[in-house]
Amino acid sequence: ETGVTQTPRHLVMGMTNKKSLKCEQHLGHNAMYWYKQSAKKPLELMFVYNFKEQTENNSVPSRFSPECPNSSHLFLHLHTLQPEDSALYLCASSASGGGTDTQYFGPGTRLTVL
Amino acid sequence: SQQGEEDPQALSIQEGENATMNCSYKTSINNLQWYRQNSGRGLVHLILIRSNEREKHSGRLRVTLDTSKKSSSLLITASRAADTASYFCATPRGAGNTPLVFGKGTRLSVIA
Repeated sequence: ETGVTQTPRHLVMGMTNKKSLKCEQHLGHNAMYWYKQSAKKPLELMFVYNFKEQTENNSVPSRFSPECPNSSHLFLHLHTLQPEDSALYLCASSASGGGTDTQYFGPGTRLTVL
Repeated sequence: SQQGEEDPQALSIQEGENATMNCSYKTSINNLQWYRQNSGRGLVHLILIRSNEREKHSGRLRVTLDTSKKSSSLLITASRAADTASYFCATPRGAGNTPLVFGKGTRLSVIA
């Protein structure tokens, strides 16, 4: 898990708060991903970045705002979230954004929205 | 959209037994991957099998792929308590350079 790190590991926030999740990969990869994992649901792909450019946004509400300043760092800025946004947020990276790549995941941030 | 569906949803076995999980998908693929997730943690890649391969081994893991049936199986032999986790199959969403799509997973419990 040291290849992809995520902070914080746990986050509790109110609906009016603003917070950010951080992801860093030390693998020299060019693609980074944000996933949402809720109980009893498939892993939901939220955003994909390739060489710092966003290549995918799967109809994610605007209260989630990603930022990718370079190929090693990925942020997810959160504001005015809803209780149903409570989930495990996973970051992953891969050599490129393709489906033949192996993805390397971080440990996740457990988010609770009160 | 392309998505793997694992079966069964949950599986409970005794230590030492073999565990078999299945994955079905909908459209043609060039590869299929299996991942493991320990509770509340990130996913870990286990094995990738390409569409021109029928079987692949890695330690106690054996993966098969039947493209005619659009299905794959993951066999864990001589299971251990440490194998307790959720197992996911993942396939490319579509043709070309598209991201992976993950199924809902099989929750495996290995009882010591």
